[in-house]
Amino acid sequence: AQSVTQLDSHVSVSEGTPVLLRCNYSSSYSPSLFWYVQHPNKGLQLLLKYTSAATLVKGINGFEAEFKKSETSFHLTKPSAHMSDAAEYFCVAKGVKTSYDKVIFGPGTSLSVIP
Amino acid sequence: KAGVTQTPRYLIKTRGQQVTLSCSPISGHRSVSWYQQTPGQGLQFLFEYFSETQRNKGNFPGRFSGRQFSNSRSEMNVSTLELGDSALYLCASSLSGGPGDTQYFGPGTRLTVL
Repeated sequence: AQSVTQLDSHVSVSEGTPVLLRCNYSSSYSPSLFWYVQHPNKGLQLLLKYTSAATLVKGINGFEAEFKKSETSFHLTKPSAHMSDAAEYFCVAKGVKTSYDKVIFGPGTSLSVIP
Repeated sequence: KAGVTQTPRYLIKTRGQQVTLSCSPISGHRSVSWYQQTPGQGLQFLFEYFSETQRNKGNFPGRFSGRQFSNSRSEMNVSTLELGDSALYLCASSLSGGPGDTQYFGPGTRLTVL
């Protein structure tokens, strides 16, 4: 079955230190990949997306992600964490089976930022 | 441009009742998807509608149904509610639902089943 794996259910970092949230997907071909963020009691907001163009994708709020086909990974990074980054992050894949296949969400990673 | 809107935002029902949730997509978006979010199961895909036709469906029982109108607005219905249906129901819209198409999410409807 097609799937999206987020290797850490919870990540804790100190303010000002780098953030790394890991995501791997299983697919027979390159899907479109997204990272969404969900703050408490809020809807999901798109951070960035990969759609087979540049493998290094820059998003909002200083986040970026690199698509590595050989590793089937799409890890999310940020050089310096801010308190406002504390939230739930979801890695999402689309088109893992066919181009118009349904969207598959990873289980999410909860990011805590320590002052 | 107005974002995705969902009504109502909060709903309390009792077991056995039915409920209808509404979603208005971003203007010009023709694809609408529904998701159920619970602490235990995370975000699960319910179904996707495009041009009034269900194009994709997740693994939910037939009690969960939906429809889309000609103006792309969508409704989902849950009949014979169970306690386990308590969840945040999210609606997302996109231009066509195609590869690489970005989904924009509404704030959700919080359903509590007593």
